[in-house]
Amino acid sequence: DGGITQSPKYLFRKEGQNVTLSCEQNLNHDAMYWYRQDPGQGLRLIYYSQIVNDFQKGDIAEGYSVSREKKESFPLTVTSAQKNPTAFYLCASNSGVRETQYFGPGTRLLVL
Amino acid sequence: GQQVMQIPQYQHVQEGEDFTTYCNSSTTLSNIQWYKQRPGGHPVFLIQLVKSGEVKKQKRLTFQFGEAKKNSSLHITATQTTDVGTYFCAGASVKTSYDKVIFGPGTSLSVIP
Repeated sequence: DGGITQSPKYLFRKEGQNVTLSCEQNLNHDAMYWYRQDPGQGLRLIYYSQIVNDFQKGDIAEGYSVSREKKESFPLTVTSAQKNPTAFYLCASNSGVRETQYFGPGTRLLVL
Repeated sequence: GQQVMQIPQYQHVQEGEDFTTYCNSSTTLSNIQWYKQRPGGHPVFLIQLVKSGEVKKQKRLTFQFGEAKKNSSLHITATQTTDVGTYFCAGASVKTSYDKVIFGPGTSLSVIP
């Protein structure tokens, strides 16, 4: 069954803690994306990767880091430098920049 | 840089009324995509338009791409409660220097039964 999986569904972060959100796809897509969505807001691009071992900053990359060591995986780390991390995080992938994006179910991050 | 705007931001309609959301880009687009996000869910792809002036229909939904390929619209006829959600447009610029799709801020549709 092809698709994108994100884990965990809910994540709690303590002050000063780094947390990593998982994103895996088995669609054989080259490109992967991370978006942040705040309540009632649109999608803001954090990072994207068009190919393995390469990634670019999006519009709101500060306080976040990513890696793309495998085609299937694009984990996002929310660092302690991100002062307002509470949000809904969506991972997406597609076969090319102008192609349809397929989204994972998302991870809701809450700060304790 | 490229910007994509959508209006209105919110729309409340009585069930059975029609609904339209408009999407406008600051640059000419190679294509436009529309996504729907149900409350608590994730965006799901609806359709892609590529040609200038293209019109596509999906049951009660009609999608249009402007002649200049800088704007698009989504029209829903006789809304139902299942139409509730946020509708996003997303466009890729024809300029090769822009290497990603830009999402609009979305239009949130509420349907009053």
